[in-house]
Amino acid sequence: DGGITQSPKYLFRKEGQNVTLSCEQNLNHDAMYWYRQDPGQGLRLIYYSQIVNDFQKGDIAEGYSVSREKKESFPLTVTSAQKNPTAFYLCASSTGGGGNQPQHFGDGTRLSIL
Amino acid sequence: GENVEQHPSTLSVQEGDSAVIKCTYSDSASNYFPWYKQELGKRPQLIIDIRSNVGEKKDQRIAVTLNKTAKHFSLHITETQPEDSAVYFCAASMRGSARQLTFGSGTQLTVLP
Repeated sequence: DGGITQSPKYLFRKEGQNVTLSCEQNLNHDAMYWYRQDPGQGLRLIYYSQIVNDFQKGDIAEGYSVSREKKESFPLTVTSAQKNPTAFYLCASSTGGGGNQPQHFGDGTRLSIL
Repeated sequence: GENVEQHPSTLSVQEGDSAVIKCTYSDSASNYFPWYKQELGKRPQLIIDIRSNVGEKKDQRIAVTLNKTAKHFSLHITETQPEDSAVYFCAASMRGSARQLTFGSGTQLTVLP
C-alpha cells in the first residue's frame, strides 16, 4: 500500500543508543499504530494514536516512545531501555472511528543490534 | 481483553486442494474479523473481512465463515496455487475499541506444486 511509507528499511542499533523509525501516511487516516513482529509470532501492539497529539500504550510499550504532532506522521523511538529490540516493526493506519475499520500497513523496518 | 487463537501454525497442501485456517476469539462483543496475508519480508495485506451481522463472505477462491455462538471464524482457500504460499493472520476487533485489532499468531501456508 503506497499510502504508508516506513523508513529506513533496515536499521542497526548500537548499545545504549536510541533510534527512531519513521512512518508517514498520505491516506488522511486519523488512527495510526505501531506493531512489533518477531519470527514465528503474530503482531504485537506497541503504541497507537487515534488523533493528533494523543496516543496510548499497547501491550508492549516498555522501552519505546512515540509522538503524534502531525496527522500524517507517527514516529517510533526505540530507546536504550528496550533490551531486545531486534525485530520487524510495522506501522499501520486506519480511518479510525473505533473498532471495525481495516488497517493498512507499511513495508516495515527491520531493526538489528550491532 | 480480547484473545485470539489461531490454528494450525503450519499447513501444507497440494496445489489445487483446499486450505482451512481457524481462529477463536474470547470477547463476545467482537464484531469485525479481518484476514491478512503476509509474504516473506513484506507487509501484511488485507485479503477479506467479515462483520458480525453476516455468517459467510466470499471473494473468488477465498471465503470466510463466522460462528458467533461458538466464537470462531475460519478462512477457506479453494483451488490453492503456489502464490497462495504465505503467512495468514486472523484478527478480531470490538466496536468502540480504540485498540482496533487483536491478531492471531499466524499460519504458515505452503502450497506444494
